[in-house]
Amino acid sequence: AQSVTQLDSQVPVFEEAPVELRCNYSSSVSVYLFWYVQYPNQGLQLLLKYLSGSTLVESINGFEAEFNKSQTSFHLRKPSVHISDTAEYFCAVYSNYQLIWGAGTKLIIKP
Amino acid sequence: NAGVMQNPRHLVRRRGQEARLRCSPMKGHSHVYWYRQLPEEGLKFMVYLQKENIIDESGMPKERFSAEFPKEGPSILRIQQVVRGDSAAYFCASSPGRSPEQFFGPGTRLTVL
Repeated sequence: AQSVTQLDSQVPVFEEAPVELRCNYSSSVSVYLFWYVQYPNQGLQLLLKYLSGSTLVESINGFEAEFNKSQTSFHLRKPSVHISDTAEYFCAVYSNYQLIWGAGTKLIIKP
Repeated sequence: NAGVMQNPRHLVRRRGQEARLRCSPMKGHSHVYWYRQLPEEGLKFMVYLQKENIIDESGMPKERFSAEFPKEGPSILRIQQVVRGDSAAYFCASSPGRSPEQFFGPGTRLTVL
């Protein structure tokens, strides 16, 4: 069965510093990967998706993630974070018409 | 084009009462998924439905929980005789077909007193 591991439950980082949120998934023949963001007391917003093609995917607000098949990873990165990026970030993999979720990583921005 | 709608957004029930959560998928979407997010945890799949059919309910607790997606109207997740452990955020998602891309609603936050 598919599984997703987010190694860090919290990541504190200073404003304008770079950040990486790690995500590893169990291997599968074909992989569809997602990052969702959840702001406090709100729903889930799709941030990035990898379905096929280029292994580097980007969002409109500066986040990017790279699908690495050999390392079974889909880490999320941003070169310079802003206070508005404070949220919880979830990595998910699609398997048998359901999304399998990581436990989430809380991004804490320090002023 | 309206997104996925869920109501109510917040629901408070006392132990032993029933909770009914509603989900209206995006226009043109005939596939609905329910997920549960327990406090401080990630989401867990509960059930996958198409119109008038339950395709996969492997994530649903065997007792007290049921789901339906009738020909007309929203999908309903029903929890009978709620207990404190049912307190969670329940998210609905929809897709136009069997697709990896699922569009999420804002969630219903259930609190059981």
